[in-house]
Amino acid sequence: EIVLTQSPGTLSASPGDRATLSCRASQSIGNNLAWYQQKPGQAPRLLIHGAFTRATGVPARFSGSESGTEFTLTISSLQSEDFAVYFCQFYNEWPPALTFGGGTKVDI
Amino acid sequence: QLQESGPGLVKPSETLSLTCPVTGASLTSNNFYWGWIRQSPGKGLEWIGSIYYSGSVYYNPSLKSRVTISVDSSKNQFSLRLTSVTAADTAVYFCARGERLGMTVVAYFDIWGPGVQVVVSS
Repeated sequence: EIVLTQSPGTLSASPGDRATLSCRASQSIGNNLAWYQQKPGQAPRLLIHGAFTRATGVPARFSGSESGTEFTLTISSLQSEDFAVYFCQFYNEWPPALTFGGGTKVDI
Repeated sequence: QLQESGPGLVKPSETLSLTCPVTGASLTSNNFYWGWIRQSPGKGLEWIGSIYYSGSVYYNPSLKSRVTISVDSSKNQFSLRLTSVTAADTAVYFCARGERLGMTVVAYFDIWGPGVQVVVSS
């Protein structure tokens, strides 16, 4: 079973800062990784899929990268609306299986 | 749009039943799959299972023995049944849509319902 470990647990930052969030997979998963943003009381919102591809309507300040089993979500310049919890999610080609990381909270 | 519907309180050992009517799109396209995900403070986000209109259904192995996901095309909705619930099943339950990616039958979810809180308690 693939385990996703996100770090840090909490990232304290200020508007305008660059934020770097990490998601490490317990074994190789190719590029089968998605990132979501979740605000209190709301459903997760898809940001990135395929490790790099921004979902429709996602601002260009969000970008995804990969180095082996470590995946990174970068927010180039934090806006006030970006303060939220971010989750990574692995999806397996076969058999179907989805697992989520524990999340990183980005707060002011 | 998706909108979860069902009781917010279920007694232990009973069956949790939720529905997810889909508006603005048809369930009948096999380019999309429909799924259930839950979120609790203890377990975080957990995929429950997903279904295609064709009837192909995939479950999280840890829940498979208690879960049934089905599609009702006449009502353009899909449903979740989880039997023999315990307090550990207390969570916010989300329904969601995903798009098939080639050979990957279940990947990510691009449209989510707002979620419904379900509490298991006597």
